[in-house]
Amino acid sequence: EAGVAQSPRYKIIEKRQSVAFWCNPISGHATLYWYQQILGQGPKLLIQFQNNGVVDDSQLPKDRFSAERLKGVDSTLKIQPAKLEDSAVYLCASSNTPTSGPYTQYFGPGTRLTVL
Amino acid sequence: GDSVTQMEGPVTLSEEAFLTINCTYTATGYPSLFWYVQYPGEGLQLLLKATKADDKGSNKGFEATYRKETTSFHLEKGSVQVSDSAVYFCALRSTDKLIFGTGTRLQVFP
Repeated sequence: EAGVAQSPRYKIIEKRQSVAFWCNPISGHATLYWYQQILGQGPKLLIQFQNNGVVDDSQLPKDRFSAERLKGVDSTLKIQPAKLEDSAVYLCASSNTPTSGPYTQYFGPGTRLTVL
Repeated sequence: GDSVTQMEGPVTLSEEAFLTINCTYTATGYPSLFWYVQYPGEGLQLLLKATKADDKGSNKGFEATYRKETTSFHLEKGSVQVSDSAVYFCALRSTDKLIFGTGTRLQVFP
């Protein structure tokens, strides 16, 4: 079974530029998550999709971050304009829809963003 | 709100030493508990999990027991290997959201 795919793996931009990240979840997984992991910290949830609808975006800085999941499969996360403090690894994860019992989130390799 | 506290690293051990990484949590209700591992340059991988009090999760020689009375989920391994060098994250799932600790870096030397 293929895992969660993300691209690019690395990105370096200057502040005030725009950047976009792409995620392809595990086939059949209805739930998709974007996390931000700043160096030395644990991942923090930015946004969660159930199919193509947003379930939780309470920690997404909506003045500069946006995300979409068209057709309920792939997703893109965009930052416009970027700030220095956005330097982090952006992780995508997916899981089955939890109908009952425990379920597991599977993570992609992440995109390391450096803002200069 | 819900939170996870992990011991700070790095933890430095010689090969075959005993490992303990402490993790405590604060949560309402009865969360599921997880340990994830992140090898250099890779994403997070689920190492083990426990869904209710007194459950023991285990995988690859690692173990952790869900202790409700002490709100803890400490990670242990009897004999570490160089290949275990990684960052370990304790996490809880509250409703449908994973909340992570800050991670503990483990360095194992031959």
